[in-house]
Amino acid sequence: NAGVTQTPKFRILKIGQSMTLQCAQDMNHNYMYWYRQDPGMGLKLIYYSVGAGITDKGEVPNGYNVSRSTTEDFPLRLELAAPSQTSVYFCASSYRGRVNQPQHFGDGTRLSIL
Amino acid sequence: GQNIDQPTEMTATEGAIVQINCTYQTSGFNGLFWYQQHAGEAPTFLSYNVLDGLEEKGRFSSFLSRSKGYSYLLLKELQMKDSASYLCAVRDEGNGVDYKLSFGAGTTVTVRA
Repeated sequence: NAGVTQTPKFRILKIGQSMTLQCAQDMNHNYMYWYRQDPGMGLKLIYYSVGAGITDKGEVPNGYNVSRSTTEDFPLRLELAAPSQTSVYFCASSYRGRVNQPQHFGDGTRLSIL
Repeated sequence: GQNIDQPTEMTATEGAIVQINCTYQTSGFNGLFWYQQHAGEAPTFLSYNVLDGLEEKGRFSSFLSRSKGYSYLLLKELQMKDSASYLCAVRDEGNGVDYKLSFGAGTTVTVRA
């Protein structure tokens, strides 16, 4: 029972490079989310999805893109990496149903942009 | 968005009790979650409150007062492994969206021997 799986765990990028952070969940959850967490700051929502083919912006979407072609996968794309995107990125998923359903988090991707 | 406030740091002794407060402002409150996050790891779910009162889960309890926009997480019989950051998160249906959470910055609890 893997839960939410994120790859890679660590990555160093040069300014202007692009990359995709992968996220997959095997719990058949409808909702998926991408957050970034900076030191001393709370989790900030980047993008979210309520189901395959449906995505929407969160609080801090600039510089990122997402897609949701399947229920299981929710990749996050950085097109032109900037130093301000150095952060820890967490993917999460939750089940739509009972209101008390918590979000389940992956182990995170630690991204440095130099 | 929501304004969620919690203390930055707290220190307590092994075996003691610590109370972490969280205050929030929302337009359509629909639940409050507490998460635990050890350094370098993912947040993990601890508790959920949507009605006023106390929810107890072993050594951890969480309290909610909706009229005051206030919650606390109570950690009893502290153990060294409880040293972590504790995140308060609020679900707000004020904009018709019921599946997004807003997180506080977290409270780092250090347990000393």
